[in-house]
Amino acid sequence: DTAVSQTPKYLVTQMGNDKSIKCEQNLGHDTMYWYKQDSKKFLKIMFSYNNKELIINETVPNRFSPKSPDKAHLNLHINSLELGDSAVYFCASSQAQGDSEKLFFGSGTQLSVL
Amino acid sequence: GEDVEQSLFLSVREGDSSVINCTYTDSSSTYLYWYKQEPGAGLQLLTYIFSNMDMKQDQRLTVLLNKKDKHLSLRIADTQTGDSAIYFCAESSPGSNYQLIWGAGTKLIIKP
Repeated sequence: DTAVSQTPKYLVTQMGNDKSIKCEQNLGHDTMYWYKQDSKKFLKIMFSYNNKELIINETVPNRFSPKSPDKAHLNLHINSLELGDSAVYFCASSQAQGDSEKLFFGSGTQLSVL
Repeated sequence: GEDVEQSLFLSVREGDSSVINCTYTDSSSTYLYWYKQEPGAGLQLLTYIFSNMDMKQDQRLTVLLNKKDKHLSLRIADTQTGDSAIYFCAESSPGSNYQLIWGAGTKLIIKP
């Protein structure tokens, strides 16, 4: 009964390949996010969807394409993978309560591009 | 843009108190948060404080907010080995449409 689950946990692939990471939340939240955490643990937001609509799209290469088939799912597809894409990718969800945003995170997908 | 800063490392002895500090620049910050990331795991919300409060206590955790100095701290009493983690400070405000602005995280190292 994991609240935010993402798969796979580990992804090792060659440069130039295309890969996807899936995320599902069973909390009934309206908003979902993708974050990238680099090797120095810096956390950077990539995308945010609210009720299947894109609301945040930070400066991310267009090789990254999020897709939200419904508000419980937000998948991340990456084309033409590059070495610099190696990082841990976290999915998260939240339900705004007033002005506070409490995020619930998945356990991360460690992507290694060789 | 707005910024949140934290020291990257803090080392304390088991049983001592840990104090993790955070400074932020956004004077209109509404909520300030502390998240904990254990090795190999996602972040978990530890606690948060509304900007009109100056202190919040929850068992071993005490959050202090100095709004004038834009300084937030997290005190962990009687630090245990299970407290080893990276602690992220974050803030949200109307100016950022309540999206979180994150610090770089402080790695808490516990010495026996």
